[in-house]
Amino acid sequence: SQQGEEDPQALSIQEGENATMNCSYKTSINNLQWYRQNSGRGLVHLILIRSNEREKHSGRLRVTLDTSKKSSSLLITASRAADTASYFCATDPDAGGTSYGKLTFGQGTILTVHP
Amino acid sequence: DGGITQSPKYLFRKEGQNVTLSCEQNLNHDAMYWYRQDPGQGLRLIYYSQIVNDFQKGDIAEGYSVSREKKESFPLTVTSAQKNPTAFYLCASTPRFNLGYGYTFGSGTRLTVV
Repeated sequence: SQQGEEDPQALSIQEGENATMNCSYKTSINNLQWYRQNSGRGLVHLILIRSNEREKHSGRLRVTLDTSKKSSSLLITASRAADTASYFCATDPDAGGTSYGKLTFGQGTILTVHP
Repeated sequence: DGGITQSPKYLFRKEGQNVTLSCEQNLNHDAMYWYRQDPGQGLRLIYYSQIVNDFQKGDIAEGYSVSREKKESFPLTVTSAQKNPTAFYLCASTPRFNLGYGYTFGSGTRLTVV
C-alpha cells in the first residue's frame, strides 16, 4: 500500500531557483525520510526527520514535518542541474511505539533543473 | 568502501524460468530488504529480513522467495509463479530495523521477461 503521496508529480525549474516538494501520508509514523534517485540507479538517503521533530536542515536541504496534518515538505535551495532526479518520501510506520524498519515509499516527484 | 552490491545489473528471463538476484552487503547491517519498482512508480516491498535465518513477507511477496543464511547475503528468487516480473529490483539494508535508520540501497537489477 502506498502511504506517502508526493506533490507535484513533476517539477521543472531553472538553476538557482528553489524547489519544493510535498509529501502526505495516512498513518502515524516513527520517522519520515527523503531519498533521491538518479535515472536507472538505486536510491540515495538524503535526510531523516523523526516524529517529534518539526524541521531539519542538511546543506541545501530543508525538511519540515507537520504530524497534525500528516505532511512533510522538502526544500532544495539554489538548485543545480546536478539536482535533476526523482525524489521520494518514505514513512516508517509507528507500530505501537516501535519501528519495524519497513519503509513505505511514495510515487516520487521528478525534478528537472535546467542550466 | 562499504556498500551493497547487486548483481547482475541486467537480467533476462524466459517464460517459466526461475531466476535469482544477488544482494551482498559489507556494512555489517542486520536488516535487509527487497523492493520492486515499476516505471514511474514508487517502491513496493517484496520481502525483508531483520536477522539471519529469519525473513518476512512484504506487500507483494507472491511469486518470490528469499533466504538469509548469512548476514551479508539476501538473494531473491523470482519464480515462474510471478506473472509480471519485468521490473527494477532494489535491495537495501539498515543497521538495526528498530532504531529508525535510513536505508542504504544497491544500484539495482533490471529484470526483463523475453
